[in-house]
Amino acid sequence: GAVVSQHPSWVICKSGTSVKIECRSLDFQATTMFWYRQFPKQSLMLMATSNEGSKATYEQGVEKDKFLINHASLTLSTLTVTSAHPEDSSFYICSALNPGLADLTTRGEQFFGPGTRLTVL
Amino acid sequence: DQQVKQNSPSLSVQEGRISILNCDYTNSMFDYFLWYKKYPAEGPTFLISISSIKDKNEDGRFTVFLNKSAKHLSLHIVPSQPGDSAVYFCAAAAGGTSYGKLTFGQGTILTVHP
Repeated sequence: GAVVSQHPSWVICKSGTSVKIECRSLDFQATTMFWYRQFPKQSLMLMATSNEGSKATYEQGVEKDKFLINHASLTLSTLTVTSAHPEDSSFYICSALNPGLADLTTRGEQFFGPGTRLTVL
Repeated sequence: DQQVKQNSPSLSVQEGRISILNCDYTNSMFDYFLWYKKYPAEGPTFLISISSIKDKNEDGRFTVFLNKSAKHLSLHIVPSQPGDSAVYFCAAAAGGTSYGKLTFGQGTILTVHP
């Protein structure tokens, strides 16, 4: 199978501090990972695309200086929420594309992590 | 602007009956549609998908129907089982440089009663 993990699963921090969230593909190499956030009772919103060895591309309206993404290796992408504020409190989920399992007839090769619940006080 | 909408926040069904989850979209560039199942504290799990060149795709108890002219798709689960209780997300994708980027609906909470 294809497993994606996230760490931590939940974090509480004070306003103004920075928080780092890790996304790892455990049994495959992912050249591309995605970061989503989900507010309560809302859909998952794509924040950015993380490509190994290059700069992340951000969706419209997402502040790249606030949400720093680093994809340093084929199995790890990190999202750092800088100077966090209460409005950044959300559920952050990453996903990874596993080209080894790519089936272009199903597009089922994107695997999601379990998510990280961030609460900023 | 919500490009993918799931207008029913919840659905309750008796075990053994059919569950029908609906999804509407507005962006004509979407050419692939996927359904994901999500349990609390877990990430979404891929369920079934359909290309815009098809109008139906079946996998076991799960069937997805696509009506391109109406920009509407639905997921049918027959027969429904209590283990199917979860949040179901509809997602849409466009090809080209947007490959891999998914636009999700708000989700529908399905509850299957024994």
